[in-house]
Amino acid sequence: QKEVEQDPGPLSVPEGAIVSLNCTYSNSAFQYFMWYRQYSRKGPELLMYTYSSGNKEDGRFTAQVDKSSKYISLFIRDSQPSDSATYLCAMSPVGNFGNEKLTFGTGTRLTIIP
Amino acid sequence: KAGVTQTPRYLIKTRGQQVTLSCSPISGHRSVSWYQQTPGQGLQFLFEYFSETQRNKGNFPGRFSGRQFSNSRSEMNVSTLELGDSALYLCASSLQSGAFTYEQYFGPGTRLTVT
Repeated sequence: QKEVEQDPGPLSVPEGAIVSLNCTYSNSAFQYFMWYRQYSRKGPELLMYTYSSGNKEDGRFTAQVDKSSKYISLFIRDSQPSDSATYLCAMSPVGNFGNEKLTFGTGTRLTIIP
Repeated sequence: KAGVTQTPRYLIKTRGQQVTLSCSPISGHRSVSWYQQTPGQGLQFLFEYFSETQRNKGNFPGRFSGRQFSNSRSEMNVSTLELGDSALYLCASSLQSGAFTYEQYFGPGTRLTVT
């Protein structure tokens, strides 16, 4: 079983809808949680990161972490066609400085239909 | 400011050959990490170099190796290529070492196909 599980999709939603993307994990040592967005033929770019449990909001994006359930989510409000991409979750334990390794989910391919 | 550049962008090799991929980080960045991305396994960490020293290593066989030069440029080498090595190889740079402390900026990747 993988340490991080993510539904690969594909997920198609109409423009303006709220999108919910999720990951589950098994390693209770994970403390840092990130969401990356990857457009076709591009490298991933960091969208948001959170530490431990709680919510974080940045514009149309909200990241949630529920450590008790080992479950993280990314919500996109008022989705736009430009949000069409693959979304990857990533997480890391808190270790010695410089020794952290990111473990990624396989990514969810999202398409926003105009 | 120029982003992370990777060369070549596409590569086709046959089984048993070896390959070297190159990564030029963002100017001023001292940490370079390498990842393998495949549809089934997703993004998997290969290794990280910081100030010419390997700081961290993922769970890949010894056929995968890397190095970093004094100007922070990095190369990754795969020897005795196998079909399963076909993947997108991504390089990411950051100011300092520390995957969550300092944001990583990814390059566009090198698409390696092994036939």
